[in-house]
Amino acid sequence: SAVISQKPSRDICQRGTSLTIQCQVDSQVTMMFWYRQQPGQSLTLIATANQGSEATYESGFVIDKFPISRPNLTFSTLTVSNMSPEDSSIYLCSASGTSAYNEQFFGPGTRLTVL
Amino acid sequence: EDQVTQSPEALRLQEGESSSLNCSYTVSGLRGLFWYRQDPGKGPEFLFTLYSAGEEKEKERLKATLTKKESFLHITAPKPEDSATYLCAVRGSGGSNYKLTFGKGTLLTVNP
Repeated sequence: SAVISQKPSRDICQRGTSLTIQCQVDSQVTMMFWYRQQPGQSLTLIATANQGSEATYESGFVIDKFPISRPNLTFSTLTVSNMSPEDSSIYLCSASGTSAYNEQFFGPGTRLTVL
Repeated sequence: EDQVTQSPEALRLQEGESSSLNCSYTVSGLRGLFWYRQDPGKGPEFLFTLYSAGEEKEKERLKATLTKKESFLHITAPKPEDSATYLCAVRGSGGSNYKLTFGKGTLLTVNP
């Protein structure tokens, strides 16, 4: 199983600003993902971070709001842009192997509060 | 669209009192049903993957089972350290090959 770390673990930001969250995996992985976990809601996939190409976004999420980078097989970033209080949430990074049947392993999450 | 419903939302047990958590799902072409445990302030921790009806997996006091419509997570003689939120997720063959659809979870509290 992969060990995943995220930075920062938490942050409090002002409305209209942007925050970049980093995700580091301890081994090379094929797939990396970004999820959002809002209070009382289920984990929701934001996008799949593709190495060397643009991320694949799920319905309801757009690149202008959540730009994602993946420069190599162990690292990815998610930026939450032009934040509003509705963006207050926990953001989680996950990773898995090549097969669509593989389990995903999650990082500890980044707790974001937007004032 | 894949859907996952977990019940109950919350469950309170006494230490040693066995019980089960339910995960009902609808999915086109199941590619796996996943159980995770999530402690407060942490990311989900992987527990089990089940792929076909009739499959069962065990780990310590936990046993997961799968039918064509639902999965159960049986907890035998739970201890306080089993207190956590248990999440169920499915991966289907429609849409993204890797997307997990999660339920809202069951918050389990085990009292000593």
